[in-house]
Amino acid sequence: NAGVTQTPKFQVLKTGQSMTLQCAQDMNHEYMSWYRQDPGMGLRLIHYSVGAGITDQGEVPNGYNVSRSTTEDFPLRLLSAAPSQTSVYFCASSLREGGETQYFGPGTRLLVL
Amino acid sequence: KQEVTQIPAALSVPEGENLVLNCSFTDSAIYNLQWFRQDPGKGLTSLLLIQSSQREQTSGRLNASLDKSSGRSTLYIAASQPGDSATYLCAVRRSGTYKYIFGTGTRLKVLA
Repeated sequence: NAGVTQTPKFQVLKTGQSMTLQCAQDMNHEYMSWYRQDPGMGLRLIHYSVGAGITDQGEVPNGYNVSRSTTEDFPLRLLSAAPSQTSVYFCASSLREGGETQYFGPGTRLLVL
Repeated sequence: KQEVTQIPAALSVPEGENLVLNCSFTDSAIYNLQWFRQDPGKGLTSLLLIQSSQREQTSGRLNASLDKSSGRSTLYIAASQPGDSATYLCAVRRSGTYKYIFGTGTRLKVLA
């Protein structure tokens, strides 16, 4: 199993540009989520999904869109990048119920100029 | 609103010492609590998960306890090693939701 994979590893954007951060998992997990990690603020939940076709907002959803058309993939879209979105983004997945340990991807480091 | 606090923010100990990391949360209505380890520039690795009905979980030199009524969890690391140096984060999942709230972490350095 590859686990949770994220692409790209690093990206530089200019203010106003859009892009999609990719996340995929091969563990047949129903639950997938996106976090951003900023210095001194820990991880904050952006969006999450409990299955294909079902998504919901987390703590900091503004400026981000998600969709879940398959169990495996959960892309995060930045509609119009802003410097405040400079961060490290992590995708995670787990089983929806039971002892659902979360598995994290390696992260995408995003710099918005 | 659920808030998760981890104190201290940083800790430096000599090799071989037993140590305790703390995690506090404001709302006791949690579904579970999870401890993670994060190495610099890497993703998070799950260490222990405690369901709300459990009091503790153990894995090797690690033991995590949960006291919902007081809103506290501790991660006990026995006989610390330099390889234990990392940032340790706790996260709580609120009851009735799929939302996880993370603490800001404790940065641990174990000196050889």
